[in-house]
Amino acid sequence: DVKVTQSSRYLVKRTGEKVFLECVQDMDHENMFWYRQDPGLGLRLIYFSYDVKMKEKGDIPEGYSVSREKKERFSLILESASTNQTSMYLCASSLSSIPNYGYTFGSGTRLTVV
Amino acid sequence: AQSVTQPDIHITVSEGASLELRCNYSYGATPYLFWYVQSPGQGLQLLLKYFSGDTLVQGIKGFEAEFKRSQSSFNLRKPSVHWSDAAEYFCAVGAGIKAAGNKLTFGGGTRVLVKP
Repeated sequence: DVKVTQSSRYLVKRTGEKVFLECVQDMDHENMFWYRQDPGLGLRLIYFSYDVKMKEKGDIPEGYSVSREKKERFSLILESASTNQTSMYLCASSLSSIPNYGYTFGSGTRLTVV
Repeated sequence: AQSVTQPDIHITVSEGASLELRCNYSYGATPYLFWYVQSPGQGLQLLLKYFSGDTLVQGIKGFEAEFKRSQSSFNLRKPSVHWSDAAEYFCAVGAGIKAAGNKLTFGGGTRVLVKP
C-alpha cells in the first residue's frame, strides 16, 4: 500500500525552539506539500516542492522553511517556534503527470508550542 | 485565482437519513474537483473526484457528487448515513495543469455529526 509517512503524530515544543517536521513518501511522486489545518480555516498551503531541491511558497510561508534533498523526503522547518504555530500539520504528495490524481495525505502531526 | 467555499461549518444528521454537503468553487476554466474525508485524528482520504465526462460521479463509502457548471457547485451526497460517516469533509479544486506543483485549493470543511 502506498504511503505518506509523517515522523511524529504529536509534538510539544517550547517557544523559540527550532522544529523539524519530517515527511516521507514511497510512491515516487514529484510533488510534495505542507499544509496547516486550523478549525474553521480548512487547509492552508505553507510550501510545496515539485522536484528535488525545488520549493515554492504557498499562501502562508512566514515563519517556515522547507528542505527537499531527496525525492522521497520533504521537511518543514520552524526556525523559531511561536505559540501561533500550534496547529495540525499535514503533508501530501501527488504526481505531476496525472493532474486528476489528487493528493495522498499523511496522518498529520499535531504540534503544540508552549 | 481558484477558491472553494463550503457554506456549512457543521451539519447534524440522524443515522439512516440522507446527507448533502455543499461546495461552491471559483475557477476560470474547467476545474478538477475533489472531495476528501478526515476522520478524527487522521489524515485526509480521497472520496471521489471529477475532471470530465459524466457529471454525477460515484465514490467510496457510498458517496456521490454532482458537478453543476452553471452553479459552480460540486455537492456531495449520501442516501443513508452511517454512524461511521461522522467526520470532517473537505472540497478541493485544482487547475488540472500537467505541470509543476498542480496545487489544490481546499474549502474550510464541513463537520458532520451523526445522531443515533
